[in-house]
Amino acid sequence: DIQMTQSPSSLSASVGDRVTITCQASQDISNYLNWYQQKPGKAPKLLIYDASNLETGVPSRFSGSGSGTDFTFTISSLQPEDIATYYCQQYDNPPITFGPGTKVDIK
Amino acid sequence: QVQLVESGGGVVQPGGSLRLSCAASGFTFSSYGMHWVRQAPGKGLEWVAFIRYDGSNKYYADSVKGRFTISRDNSKNTLYLQMNSLRAEDTAVYYCAKPGAGSHGWKVHFDYWGQGTLVTVSS
Repeated sequence: DIQMTQSPSSLSASVGDRVTITCQASQDISNYLNWYQQKPGKAPKLLIYDASNLETGVPSRFSGSGSGTDFTFTISSLQPEDIATYYCQQYDNPPITFGPGTKVDIK
Repeated sequence: QVQLVESGGGVVQPGGSLRLSCAASGFTFSSYGMHWVRQAPGKGLEWVAFIRYDGSNKYYADSVKGRFTISRDNSKNTLYLQMNSLRAEDTAVYYCAKPGAGSHGWKVHFDYWGQGTLVTVSS
């Protein structure tokens, strides 16, 4: 199975800050990577698919990049409603696997 | 609008069984493969099972293989997960998830999720 790691596991930032989360795959997964946002008690929400494509309706402050084994997720200007846990997910090879998540808080 | 509504969760003793359902609406259910994903309390997301659009092929995580069975009834727009020989480590919120446009087979992003149903395995 492909193992996914994320860093940091948690972070605190101020409103308006640029926030960056990294996701690393244990082997080359091309661009077969998605990013989800999950708020407490809610289902995950798709933000980015195919590493860099913004899902319809998702604010443009969210972006993704990368290919191969190293990927980056960025919030260009953190907003209070962005408080959540963010997960990467690979779909290059079954089984589908998720990263352990990055919890984002407001400082 | 797309809706996925899970039901069937509850408290069950170790070794027991439970069947989850996911009622789908707002899209052509019979055209989509469907997935179950679970999340243990305070933990991350774990993919559980996948069934192709016509039920012809089914795939499982190693952690549930031989104990869980995914199925679907396209005439009722409903996805199922039969869970047998339940263990404490199966305690989780179970979500059904729909692949987004452009997804094919295993190459999926999940654009819609249900609200989840909680399964608690405890004596």
